[in-house]
Amino acid sequence: SQQGEEDPQALSIQEGENATMNCSYKTSINNLQWYRQNSGRGLVHLILIRSNEREKHSGRLRVTLDTSKKSSSLLITASRAADTASYFCATKNTGGFKTIFGAGTRLFVKA
Amino acid sequence: DVKVTQSSRYLVKRTGEKVFLECVQDMDHENMFWYRQDPGLGLRLIYFSYDVKMKEKGDIPEGYSVSREKKERFSLILESASTNQTSMYLCASSFPGTGEQFFGPGTRLTVL
Repeated sequence: SQQGEEDPQALSIQEGENATMNCSYKTSINNLQWYRQNSGRGLVHLILIRSNEREKHSGRLRVTLDTSKKSSSLLITASRAADTASYFCATKNTGGFKTIFGAGTRLFVKA
Repeated sequence: DVKVTQSSRYLVKRTGEKVFLECVQDMDHENMFWYRQDPGLGLRLIYFSYDVKMKEKGDIPEGYSVSREKKERFSLILESASTNQTSMYLCASSFPGTGEQFFGPGTRLTVL
């Protein structure tokens, strides 16, 4: 069963704009991660946020986590055409070995 | 740089064939994973291995088996390929306890 569900399913923006993607999950987590996948390729890890953290930054990426709402958001600032990809949230449950991936948000950044 | 390689990028097989997908990682990771990815369904875990010769079933192990004889290599076996196993197969590895997984480029398998 899917744990993380991303919203929106697809997003199209102009270069320079900010892109926000949301993820909701169902059970208690140890950490939440975001990955990027370029078309037809493997996933690349972007950022990990632990359950006791509320916000984390990495370059143009900002991730927030609200454990009371069981949700997270990924903000990409000043987007570039090269940011065009699918973005997945993934949760590692408390006490589990599995990391569960959502279905992803497809981001298209127009030059 | 961590490198996870998969034996083929594209593979076409016939129904009933036995299919081997190989994955090799060079970072001495204990954990290795096999996922399949289908449109709208995200990644689904097939099998997980946390050590040589050790394995755990994931969410969709039916029709698959795995082999881990060496730490760096994790093989996925389709005993008798069926058309519903047409998919993108992704291998990943990680250290235990960390969240970050390192993925291979994927194998797009088509079963005719």
